[in-house]
Amino acid sequence: DAKTTQPTSMDCAEGRAANLPCNHSTISGNEYVYWYRQIHSQGPQYIIHGLKNNETNEMASLIITEDRKSSTLILPHATLRDTAVYYCIVMGESNYQLIWGAGTKLIIKP
Amino acid sequence: NAGVTQTPKFRILKIGQSMTLQCTQDMNHNYMYWYRQDPGMGLKLIYYSVGAGITDKGEVPNGYNVSRSTTEDFPLRLELAAPSQTSVYFCASTPNLGGRNEQFFGPGTRLTVL
Repeated sequence: DAKTTQPTSMDCAEGRAANLPCNHSTISGNEYVYWYRQIHSQGPQYIIHGLKNNETNEMASLIITEDRKSSTLILPHATLRDTAVYYCIVMGESNYQLIWGAGTKLIIKP
Repeated sequence: NAGVTQTPKFRILKIGQSMTLQCTQDMNHNYMYWYRQDPGMGLKLIYYSVGAGITDKGEVPNGYNVSRSTTEDFPLRLELAAPSQTSVYFCASTPNLGGRNEQFFGPGTRLTVL
C-alpha cells in the first residue's frame, strides 16, 4: 500500500473552510484515497473516499490532483466540533488493512 | 442498528492476568478487525477476520488471540497481560474487502496493565 504524508497539525477559524492536504506520491492506479477522523479518542469515523474524481458528501469534499499524487480534504464551514485528528489513508480494492499514520490534528478556533 | 459495540469500556489488569475484549456488530458484515492505538499514534492492526471461522494475523498479533464463531462476534483474548499491552483497543467491521467500503468502528476499550 502507498504511504501518505500529512502535516502534524493545523488551525482554522470557526466558519471558515478547513483544507487538509495529503501527499501519496506512490499511489497505484487501483488504490483509493480514504479520509477518516477521530474525535478525542473516540472510534474513528469515515468521512469520504475517492479514486480519481473529486467527491462531495454531506460532511466534506475531496479534491484529488490529476496525477493522483496528492489530495485535499475540505470541510466547507468548520465548526468547533470538527476539532479532531484527520487521517488520510490509501488502500487498494484487494487489501484488508488500513495503514494508519499519525494524521493531522485540526484545531478549530472560535 | 447499534452498529459495532465493545465491552468493557475500561479495564485495569495486573501483569499476568488474562481477559477477553468483546466486540459485536449487527450489520451482518463479513469482515471484522481488531486494532490497538497507543497515545499520539495511529491504529495498528492486531487480527482480522474475513468471515465466521476464518481469522488471520495483522501487524501486531503477539500476545493476543481471536476467534470468530459467528458473523456477529469477534472477541479478542489477552493472555498473560503485560504493561506493553496498555492501549486503547478498537474493533471495526466492513461489509466487503477492499477500497470501496468504509470501516465502521466501535467506541473502544481502554486497557491499563499495571
